[in-house]
Amino acid sequence: DAKTTQPNSMESNEEEPVHLPCNHSTISGTDYIHWYRQLPSQGPEYVIHGLTSNVNNRMASLAIAEDRKSSTLILHRATLRDAAVYYCILRDVPDNFNKFYFGSGTKLNVKP
Amino acid sequence: NAGVMQNPRHLVRRRGQEARLRCSPMKGHSHVYWYRQLPEEGLKFMVYLQKENIIDESGMPKERFSAEFPKEGPSILRIQQVVRGDSAAYFCASSQNTGNQPQHFGDGTRLSIL
Repeated sequence: DAKTTQPNSMESNEEEPVHLPCNHSTISGTDYIHWYRQLPSQGPEYVIHGLTSNVNNRMASLAIAEDRKSSTLILHRATLRDAAVYYCILRDVPDNFNKFYFGSGTKLNVKP
Repeated sequence: NAGVMQNPRHLVRRRGQEARLRCSPMKGHSHVYWYRQLPEEGLKFMVYLQKENIIDESGMPKERFSAEFPKEGPSILRIQQVVRGDSAAYFCASSQNTGNQPQHFGDGTRLSIL
């Protein structure tokens, strides 16, 4: 399994940016970095993914370290609806393109 | 609703009974994945199917569990002779193809074994 390490929990204030870190020191050259989040009683929701370059979409930004051993998911302005468990996942396209390995994720609490 | 549909949302079974969980993928998606989630844990991959084919079942228990994705109709995850340890949330995901496409998840079936 491709391993990632995330803090168990983080807290943020509403309307402030949130930086969720992920360490993946054993990442291989073909591993993509995916982020999903899971709200209570719901299935995981795709957030963003990238390989080497930083990525932006309407939900978030993904900052990838130059050596690719870590990445950071950035929520630019946290809202109460962003309270969820955030999963950082490595996906090896050539070998294991068909499944994700979910760790324990980071539980984000957003305070009003 | 064009999302992944799972039913039932909640299923209660007694030990020894059979549980059937259904998953209709998003329109146009021909790849289906099943995952299991125990309380306070991340999702664990079970099986990956394409239409009429099981591609990877490395995460599925060897006994009592089976999955299918027929040419017509939803994908079915079947658990025979359920035991208490089968109590979990079961999630289905679908994608358009392999490569690096995101997987889209349903809201799961919560299975409780009495």
